[in-house]
Amino acid sequence: DGGITQSPKYLFRKEGQNVTLSCEQNLNHDAMYWYRQDPGQGLRLIYYSQIVNDFQKGDIAEGYSVSREKKESFPLTVTSAQKNPTAFYLCASSPGPRGVNTEAFFGQGTRLTVV
Amino acid sequence: GENVEQHPSTLSVQEGDSAVIKCTYSDSASNYFPWYKQELGKRPQLIIDIRSNVGEKKDQRIAVTLNKTAKHFSLHITETQPEDSAVYFCAAVGTMTTDSWGKLQFGAGTQVVVTP
Repeated sequence: DGGITQSPKYLFRKEGQNVTLSCEQNLNHDAMYWYRQDPGQGLRLIYYSQIVNDFQKGDIAEGYSVSREKKESFPLTVTSAQKNPTAFYLCASSPGPRGVNTEAFFGQGTRLTVV
Repeated sequence: GENVEQHPSTLSVQEGDSAVIKCTYSDSASNYFPWYKQELGKRPQLIIDIRSNVGEKKDQRIAVTLNKTAKHFSLHITETQPEDSAVYFCAAVGTMTTDSWGKLQFGAGTQVVVTP
């Protein structure tokens, strides 16, 4: 499965609660990414990290937070400040931009439903 | 920062015909342009990529062309088959000289439907 795992596959939360989505990779990749996928809107970048202990905001970072304390892990927290959190979330990793850019691998995704 | 636009949003073709998807990017310093295919209910997977020092790349029925001057790149699928039906995404990655360094930015996607 490409060595990148997201859990859980489905997640239900009540409105106003924070929730954390897990993303783990065993590919020894430097770079990791979080995307949100809504119907007809493609893959929108939330946050990305090129190396441990460093990350940058993407295009839709408001209401989300991340950490990169370990190379293998890049968890995403959807906070209560995110106004429309129900979506499909995809995590990806790649060897990183240092040197030559190469293929990014995606996890299977987490479908978050806030009720 | 980098902005990637993709057209068309949907594309219907008859089996055996060709399909072409076009993307434009804004950051002239971007140097890596991958294409991903996402089948229904599955994760996106790389199908072909091209670097800024190459104008064209082919892999069996798929090819990608890059025009750095015009800042656009295209995916060409020949002899389409029903299993080519999927959503296709283009992307661009900035070089170390830009604010977009390492930022994997995707287009909005193209839904391709191949009818038998």
